[in-house]
Amino acid sequence: DGGITQSPKYLFRKEGQNVTLSCEQNLNHDAMYWYRQDPGQGLRLIYYSQIVNDFQKGDIAEGYSVSREKKESFPLTVTSAQKNPTAFYLCASSRGIRAGYTEAFFGQGTRLTVV
Amino acid sequence: AQKITQTQPGMFVQEKEAVTLDCTYDTSDPSYGLFWYKQPSSGEMIFLIYQGSYDQQNATEGRYSLNFQKARKSANLVISASQLGDSAMYFCAMREATGSARQLTFGSGTQLTVLP
Repeated sequence: DGGITQSPKYLFRKEGQNVTLSCEQNLNHDAMYWYRQDPGQGLRLIYYSQIVNDFQKGDIAEGYSVSREKKESFPLTVTSAQKNPTAFYLCASSRGIRAGYTEAFFGQGTRLTVV
Repeated sequence: AQKITQTQPGMFVQEKEAVTLDCTYDTSDPSYGLFWYKQPSSGEMIFLIYQGSYDQQNATEGRYSLNFQKARKSANLVISASQLGDSAMYFCAMREATGSARQLTFGSGTQLTVLP
């Protein structure tokens, strides 16, 4: 079945550690996105990528990094510079700009907690 | 300024009744798309319905319909014949033509509770 897979579902990070959240899609989508969701809040864009080997900062990129070496994969690293990383992280993908205003498909999310 | 505004943090509806979830948006772009997503307690985001800015008719998908009033910049979601499984968080979102990403911008959401 086509879809987006995020792993792990739950992740615990110690202070000062970097952690990487995985996102893989087999929908053949060009565009991929990372969103952060805090309790009772909407989604805020961290990073996005329209094509392989290219990505751009979103609204809250500080303390995060990404890579897009393959079309299927868009991992997110939460670095020690991110002061408040405890949140729910959602990865999404969609067809590219030329496909128009298509919906984004989401993974199941990763819940990150700092311990 | 908020691009997407959802003014109802929480809503209650009796099972089998209809409910309207409000969404207003702000854009100067003549070309845009509006989306509604459902987020159950499990956390996944489920796409429900889409409305394009140039669409002449309101979008419908099963029990979901979108009441699109372009002049008022509103895109309310109507759920007919509510079911217990409709209890979830609902988000309104928009894509604009401007901006290279055309990413979805989300509202703060409405928590819907369906009462038996």
